[in-house]
Amino acid sequence: DTEVTQTPKHLVMGMTNKKSLKCEQHMGHRAMYWYKQKAKKPPELMFVYSYEKLSINESVPSRFSPECPNSSLLNLHLHALQPEDSALYLCASRYPGDTEAFFGQGTRLTVV
Amino acid sequence: AQTVTQSQPEMSVQEAETVTLSCTYDTSESDYYLFWYKQPPSRQMILVIRQEAYKQQNATENRFSVNFQKAAKSFSLKISDSQLGDAAMYFCAYHAGNNRKLIWGLGTSLAVNP
Repeated sequence: DTEVTQTPKHLVMGMTNKKSLKCEQHMGHRAMYWYKQKAKKPPELMFVYSYEKLSINESVPSRFSPECPNSSLLNLHLHALQPEDSALYLCASRYPGDTEAFFGQGTRLTVV
Repeated sequence: AQTVTQSQPEMSVQEAETVTLSCTYDTSESDYYLFWYKQPPSRQMILVIRQEAYKQQNATENRFSVNFQKAAKSFSLKISDSQLGDAAMYFCAYHAGNNRKLIWGLGTSLAVNP
């Protein structure tokens, strides 16, 4: 299994909603990442978890709340988002010491 | 600061022809890695090819090869025998051995014409 699975693939939410994005991998990777990507732009790093502990938070607004319940699962909880938060949210994972990151297909988020 | 520059926002190539995408980077590190990622309309970011800075030999993966010029800090991607499925956004990326954060170029959108 060399996949990073993200659900849902598409999400439309209102500014007062609470929703969660989910990312799962079963490759034994112990580093997991959340990226935000706007159209035709490179991904922007949001959070990094290493061995289930948050190791990097790139000054992301608190309306985004990451969670890593176990070594295979990464969540991104969303609350009170703004229309400018509409983007593709990518999850990635990597085995410690390895150089290659595997990416999921992303969740296309639209905030209305 | 470490930076990655892709100077070609858009490129096009005829099917079966060869195309080269440019990437330059700036770093003071001696130990680092360079990558080319492909992002088709399906959105998934796919690793195309990887180059370790300490290796002098250019990396090759089937129709994809790189021209790695360490002194010039240049890392171009050559796609041979282009196929319609090669149409995608291509990102050049870098990370240093002691910092696993990927630094991305702005990307090159490649169109393949039949």
